[in-house]
Amino acid sequence: SQQGEEDPQALSIQEGENATMNCSYKTSINNLQWYRQNSGRGLVHLILIRSNEREKHSGRLRVTLDTSKKSSSLLITASRAADTASYFCATATMDSNYQLIWGAGTKLIIKP
Amino acid sequence: SQTIHQWPATLVQPVGSPLSLECTVEGTSNPNLYWYRQAAGRGLQLLFYSVGIGQISSEVPQNLSASRPQDRQFILSSKKLLLSDSGFYLCAWGGVQGVREQYFGPGTRLTVT
Repeated sequence: SQQGEEDPQALSIQEGENATMNCSYKTSINNLQWYRQNSGRGLVHLILIRSNEREKHSGRLRVTLDTSKKSSSLLITASRAADTASYFCATATMDSNYQLIWGAGTKLIIKP
Repeated sequence: SQTIHQWPATLVQPVGSPLSLECTVEGTSNPNLYWYRQAAGRGLQLLFYSVGIGQISSEVPQNLSASRPQDRQFILSSKKLLLSDSGFYLCAWGGVQGVREQYFGPGTRLTVT
């Protein structure tokens, strides 16, 4: 089942602007992860944030987690054309040691 | 470093034909292995996962099956393909201690005609 829901479903911005994507989930989690998928390719892990963390940075990426609202956001600063991709959130829930629950993704287009 | 291979990259098969997709992992031992399917413009649907040789868990009833004959080999099969089996198939591996990052292969684009 798909627990995560990203919004927006699609986002188109100018190169250099910041891009923000959101993810909501329903059940308690151990961690939340963000992945990127270029068209026709496999997914690439970007960042993992644990349930006891509120914010995490990796290069131009900033992820926040609000467990009280069961939501997370991914911010990409100073976007580049190469950031054009689909972005997925995935949650590791308390009741499974093996599975991630995936959202439907946000399609990000960076216009040059 | 760990590497995951999938083949073939693309496949066009007629309805009713058999299917075999293979996935192998290098550089890690006893990984959790996963098969996902992705419809065009959609998220990932977990089909099967395996925590060890011969151990397969199925998430979605369908005409697909999976096998893990070796520690780092995961095979997705069908005896008779349906049109609805078309999609992008992704293999992934993850660590054994809790659910952390998953690492994906390049995927197989399957078109059933």
